[in-house]
Amino acid sequence: DQQVKQNSPSLSVQEGRISILNCDYTNSMFDYFLWYKKYPAEGPTFLISISSIKDKNEDGRFTVFLNKSAKHLSLHIVPSQPGDSAVYFCAASGGGRNNNDMRFGAGTRLTVKP
Amino acid sequence: DVKVTQSSRYLVKRTGEKVFLECVQDMDHENMFWYRQDPGLGLRLIYFSYDVKMKEKGDIPEGYSVSREKKERFSLILESASTNQTSMYLCASSFSGRLTYNEQFFGPGTRLTVL
Repeated sequence: DQQVKQNSPSLSVQEGRISILNCDYTNSMFDYFLWYKKYPAEGPTFLISISSIKDKNEDGRFTVFLNKSAKHLSLHIVPSQPGDSAVYFCAASGGGRNNNDMRFGAGTRLTVKP
Repeated sequence: DVKVTQSSRYLVKRTGEKVFLECVQDMDHENMFWYRQDPGLGLRLIYFSYDVKMKEKGDIPEGYSVSREKKERFSLILESASTNQTSMYLCASSFSGRLTYNEQFFGPGTRLTVL
């Protein structure tokens, strides 16, 4: 039973446009959310996070939005660049004995076309 | 620069063999994790450890065991490898956070094929 779901396995956008990646979760105990980026043959790297006390967090071209009532978060990349092409994983944490236990979604493969 | 290393990038084993996957981190992190990554399923937590000699089952521990004798090293053991354990295995580490959340740092992964 996946507690974190990314329902779009892939997304293709044109360079310069906005990329929107979506994530839903089922466990209401989650209160910290992260996005990781993964290139082929490399481990995932941390991209951006958000605490449940916020509804938005920005870092340069990347913005994460959190809608707690809908148990939904999204990652916006503006403007998208070809180097952003990667698999993006949504992760959620909280409610366990250790705040670092995380559950990951299945990932969305983003392709940014030049 | 933070670093998590895994002993092998690619590994091919036969059904029934005992397999050891090693992970080492140089960041003095308390927490270490083992995941497997499969298409359509994302990263699934196998085991994790909060401290030396401590271990906790994740979501899919069956067929696996772990060992953490030193703080920097966390080993994943497949007692008798089976074909359904063919996967990408990822190790991660993080600082402990009772009151704070801390990102996990990942190694490059080990692609294990069981024939």
